Amino acid sequence: ILNVEQSPQSLHVQEGDSTNFTCSFPSSNFYALHWYRWETAKSPEALFVMTLNGDEKKKGRISATLNTKEGYSYLYIKGSQPEDSATYLCASSTGGYNKLIFGAGTRLAVHP
Amino acid sequence: GAVVSQHPSRVICKSGTSVKIECRSLDFQATTMFWYRQFPKKSLMLMATSNEGSKATYEQGVEKDKFLINHASLTLSTLTVTSAHPEDSSFYICSARDVVRSSNYGYTFGSGTRLTVV
Repeated sequence: ILNVEQSPQSLHVQEGDSTNFTCSFPSSNFYALHWYRWETAKSPEALFVMTLNGDEKKKGRISATLNTKEGYSYLYIKGSQPEDSATYLCASSTGGYNKLIFGAGTRLAVHP
Repeated sequence: GAVVSQHPSRVICKSGTSVKIECRSLDFQATTMFWYRQFPKKSLMLMATSNEGSKATYEQGVEKDKFLINHASLTLSTLTVTSAHPEDSSFYICSARDVVRSSNYGYTFGSGTRLTVV
């Protein structure tokens, strides 16, 4: 994989549903994987930074896992709420000023 | 928490003019800032990495004479789109790396600038 890829591109769920998205990234020269939450008209907000294979991080109802050997990360949202509606971006860095290469994002809409 | 202020949020300019976009880190020193451009329904595309006191490093395919980046202080980086043309119309956004926080908390983004060249 040469680019960072995210799936699905968009997702519509009902309030209370749990959901997950995927981020695939180049596994060679991997340094860190970032997840951001981006609401319309706001700045992207950092959710997690993960570096080690097998890392799992949690923030409230949101959690993420990392597999650096196969080059993927999952983001999970448990019991989705309308306020979770946003675009979720992942980004991979390979060192060298730690510049981030972003995926196109997953747009989540949670319906009441 | 760390805050980056980006201005202007929207700008409309005439073709052939130059536009300057500013990003300021308000409560931390940003030795490194990154400039991105986003096309509709596409990823944030990294344009350049700017380091305080040195020349910016541009990504392949980004014209350094078209997109001038200056990072003269630890809290301010600017992107100037020179001789803008309609194809430069896009969403531009900066992010800053707080060396102390970024390993655990990621980078801090500005709120972006929507540039329209008419």
